Amino acid sequence: GAVVSQHPSWVICKSGTSVKIECRSLDFQATTMFWYRQFPKQSLMLMATSNEGSKATYEQGVEKDKFLINHASLTLSTLTVTSAHPEDSSFYICSARVGSPNSPLHFGNGTRLTVT
Amino acid sequence: GDSVTQMEGPVTLSEEAFLTINCTYTATGYPSLFWYVQYPGEGLQLLLKATKADDKGSNKGFEATYRKETTSFHLEKGSVQVSDSAVYFCALRTGGTSYGKLTFGQGTILTVHP
Repeated sequence: GAVVSQHPSWVICKSGTSVKIECRSLDFQATTMFWYRQFPKQSLMLMATSNEGSKATYEQGVEKDKFLINHASLTLSTLTVTSAHPEDSSFYICSARVGSPNSPLHFGNGTRLTVT
Repeated sequence: GDSVTQMEGPVTLSEEAFLTINCTYTATGYPSLFWYVQYPGEGLQLLLKATKADDKGSNKGFEATYRKETTSFHLEKGSVQVSDSAVYFCALRTGGTSYGKLTFGQGTILTVHP
């Protein structure tokens, strides 16, 4: 089946530094990737939608300059948390899809980010 | 905007007990409805789905019926197993220009004891 690999699975960084999270589709070409953020005991909140080769579409309230998304190829999207602060600590999950909006979504295992 | 509300957890059951996890939604148009499951240490997996009113999605003994009149999509299983312990997410997807993005409920933690 379709596999989405997310790396790293967890990361600890110091306040003020930047962290990059990778999301790869291993056995399919992902035309669209989604980035979600999950707070403890809360829902997955969509941060942005990215289509290969174009700029990401950010949800309302998500700072595009803080959460940089690059979808440079059909198998890789990256989320960079710039100048991270403790309030950015969260669980980040990517998902990928090939084809139409009705196609199934495949999820990565998530990345636990802790900013100290 | 679109939203999904799930019953609060955690839910703790004994093996072979009956499971219900409630899910209601608010959406414009006619959404597709989903249940996703997240086992410990793994990513979300699609459990079942229904794309129109009165459709019943089923998989691995789990069922959910798309009820338009009550805007609900409750998840049920007649006899749970320890291996069903996981976090369950109800979600909806609307069409149009939304690129098929999903709106999730907050998730319900299920623990099944032997």
